[in-house]
Amino acid sequence: RKEVEQDPGPFNVPEGATVAFNCTYSNSASQSFFWYRQDCRKEPKLLMSVYSSGNEDGRFTAQLNRASQYISLLIRDSKLSDSATYLCVVNEGNQFYFGTGTSLTVIP
Amino acid sequence: DGGITQSPKYLFRKEGQNVTLSCEQNLNHDAMYWYRQDPGQGLRLIYYSQIVNDFQKGDIAEGYSVSREKKESFPLTVTSAQKNPTAFYLCASSMWSINTEAFFGQGTRLTVV
Repeated sequence: RKEVEQDPGPFNVPEGATVAFNCTYSNSASQSFFWYRQDCRKEPKLLMSVYSSGNEDGRFTAQLNRASQYISLLIRDSKLSDSATYLCVVNEGNQFYFGTGTSLTVIP
Repeated sequence: DGGITQSPKYLFRKEGQNVTLSCEQNLNHDAMYWYRQDPGQGLRLIYYSQIVNDFQKGDIAEGYSVSREKKESFPLTVTSAQKNPTAFYLCASSMWSINTEAFFGQGTRLTVV
């Protein structure tokens, strides 16, 4: 059983579209949650942390549902520059567990 | 600027050779990690270290070795015992805290020729 599971996609969406990614985690004791962005052949970079109350950063909104053990990322008004792989990451007692990533391509 | 630096960016190795990947951080982070990423797969943990002179095996430690002689440095040796070493290797560091994120180096792409 994988610790973190994501739909790998690919998601191909037109510019301006809204797209949502979901991620589930298996350990109910998991303590902190993140979304990372990874461009092709580059390192992952933190996009945003995910809090129980939900948090928003510009066009990006992240939410955590502890009862159902899932995390979501919503991207509004997609830009071409949003094309990347989005990784769901869970911190369990200083061990990081990574989803396989969801590939997003924004099409002109 | 604080950050985490991996070198080299690209590395070619002949079969049967050991090779060492460098990872240095000046973020004053306690914890350091090595991951391997293969196409279409998530990051898999090779080794991690919480403090100097201590490290623990991750999920895929066979064929790899590490050392942590300084807080800033966590080199990874890919030995000849690793049967399929061609991959993208990522080093990360973090504070030893439950709510902290991981910071990554730019990665080393290792190819066996």
